[in-house]
Amino acid sequence: NAGVTQTPKFQVLKTGQSMTLQCAQDMNHEYMSWYRQDPGMGLRLIHYSVGAGITDQGEVPNGYNVSRSTTEDFPLRLLSAAPSQTSVYFCASRTGGTQETQYFGPGTRLLVL
Amino acid sequence: SQQGEEDPQALSIQEGENATMNCSYKTSINNLQWYRQNSGRGLVHLILIRSNEREKHSGRLRVTLDTSKKSSSLLITASRAADTASYFCATMDTGRRALTFGSGTRLQVQP
Repeated sequence: NAGVTQTPKFQVLKTGQSMTLQCAQDMNHEYMSWYRQDPGMGLRLIHYSVGAGITDQGEVPNGYNVSRSTTEDFPLRLLSAAPSQTSVYFCASRTGGTQETQYFGPGTRLLVL
Repeated sequence: SQQGEEDPQALSIQEGENATMNCSYKTSINNLQWYRQNSGRGLVHLILIRSNEREKHSGRLRVTLDTSKKSSSLLITASRAADTASYFCATMDTGRRALTFGSGTRLQVQP
């Protein structure tokens, strides 16, 4: 299994541009989440999904959209990038039920100029 | 605001010493988890303790949970230089939807 994969690894955007961060998992996990990590900080939850077709907002959802059309994929869309969105973005997944360990992707480093 | 707050923010010890990190949280939880992050990498799960448990061990790791004080501690015994990393506590709410992370403790183990 590849686990949780994220693309791209690194991206530079100009203010106002849009882009999609890709996340995929091959473990048939129901739950998927997006986090952002700012320098020296912990992770803050952006959006999460408890299954295909079901998404919900986390702690810092503004400026981001998500959709979950398949179990495997959970893309994160930046609608109009702002310098405040410069961060490292992590995708994570886990099974439902009592197994609650989250598996993280390697992260996408985003710089907004 | 973040659910968990770790203490201390940074810790530097010598190889062979024990390292203790503390985590406080604000709301009712289903479980609390500890994760490790090496510099520039993703997070790796270390250990999970459920709200009805008070102590759990895994190898050189010992986790305690005090739900009345809304706090947890992670003890790493006989530390090694390879333990150098950031350690985060994360809480799963009673709805078991998503994890909320603390701000982390940066551990430096000097060889």
